[in-house]
Amino acid sequence: DSGVTQTPKHLITATGQRVTLRCSPRSGDLSVYWYQQSLDQGLQFLIQYYNGEERAKGNILERFSAQQFPDLHSELNLSSLELGDSALYFCASSVDGRETQYFGPGTRLLVL
Amino acid sequence: AQTVTQSQPEMSVQEAETVTLSCTYDTSENNYYLFWYKQPPSRQMILVIRQEAYKQQNATENRFSVNFQKAAKSFSLKISDSQLGDTAMYFCAFILLFGNEKLTFGTGTRLTIIP
Repeated sequence: DSGVTQTPKHLITATGQRVTLRCSPRSGDLSVYWYQQSLDQGLQFLIQYYNGEERAKGNILERFSAQQFPDLHSELNLSSLELGDSALYFCASSVDGRETQYFGPGTRLLVL
Repeated sequence: AQTVTQSQPEMSVQEAETVTLSCTYDTSENNYYLFWYKQPPSRQMILVIRQEAYKQQNATENRFSVNFQKAAKSFSLKISDSQLGDTAMYFCAFILLFGNEKLTFGTGTRLTIIP
């Protein structure tokens, strides 16, 4: 158990819908990262937050957005979902941006 | 941009044997960390080992050790006395210390331990 929690574990939804994935980092970690793992794209970095502020952006679609709240939990919002958004979404956390990232168990999203 | 290459898509080895997984990376920077993560069938991403680029000594964690060759930009993982629980996808990953703080992953090596 890494100490990073993610909810829900599984999500099944339809195209065009909107979902929210939630992540709670390890106690003491200020940095939260979101990654997408799909069969054809591998593991891709989406976005990073540090202490409530966006710090880095990767291959995140405009339909996707995220935020980190004052209690340091983070939410990833995916809207206008497409079949190709089906993937495993991981949250990871670290003490700061330069230390080891520990991963949550992931949220498996299936868009039908 | 940094890239990480794992040239062995699949490997298999008998239980109790030793296996080495290869990883090469490309960067013009000097300050970075390298990692091996393991992803078993449960899909959880589990940290196996970390290597700081400024350290010459190779990292070890119990049965897991690395061979870090900075000049050659090579970072292989050796698993000794392999166990059935080592069956998993193994990902090599890279992060810059000063810059975009994202992990860049290789495409993974699927390792199967045969009883």
